[in-house]
Amino acid sequence: EDKVVQSPLSLVVHEGDTVTLNCSYEVTNFRSLLWYKQEKKAPTFLFMLTSSGIEKKSGRLSSILDKKELFSILNITATQTGDSAIYLCAGINTGGFKTIFGAGTRLFVKA
Amino acid sequence: AAGVIQSPRHLIKEKRETATLKCYPIPRHDTVYWYQQGPGQDPQFLISFYEKMQSDKGSIPDRFSAQQFSDYHSELNMSSLELGDSALYFCASSRGLGQPQHFGDGTRLSIL
Repeated sequence: EDKVVQSPLSLVVHEGDTVTLNCSYEVTNFRSLLWYKQEKKAPTFLFMLTSSGIEKKSGRLSSILDKKELFSILNITATQTGDSAIYLCAGINTGGFKTIFGAGTRLFVKA
Repeated sequence: AAGVIQSPRHLIKEKRETATLKCYPIPRHDTVYWYQQGPGQDPQFLISFYEKMQSDKGSIPDRFSAQQFSDYHSELNMSSLELGDSALYFCASSRGLGQPQHFGDGTRLSIL
């Protein structure tokens, strides 16, 4: 059965810390892995990773995919209170239409 | 920029009633996905449509059905509602195969 597992489930850090969120996946006919940030409402898209070993970067956030070991990490440097959210990763199959979400990592950044 | 529009934002129904949720994708997006997110849970994939045809199916109960119309909007029809159907229902859209999905704000369905 397809599954996506995230760790840790929750994390509390202080502003300025660097965090690494983990996502491992088992998705039949895997195509891509996506990272989302969910605050109070809808998940907002962060990254889509399709190729192994290529880092994607957006400001203080970066992510990389390892298709051999079937995992991805999301790094956030110099964390801010506004980074407090649930971070979801999801695997998409080759057909592109079925998305399996992990349970998310709840990040809380203290001022 | 235009986003995914879902309606209604909130819906209260009683057991055994029916409900219809609507989703209007971002313009030029041809793929729509439906998710159910219970309290404290991750979104569970229900069903997706590509170019008005059902493309994949997840954990959607038989009591639910959905379709995508010629203008690419989609509707999720839910019948014989149960207490356990209370959840936040998200619609997402993408432009093409396997592209990033952009989520609407969701419809919060409460069953009394």
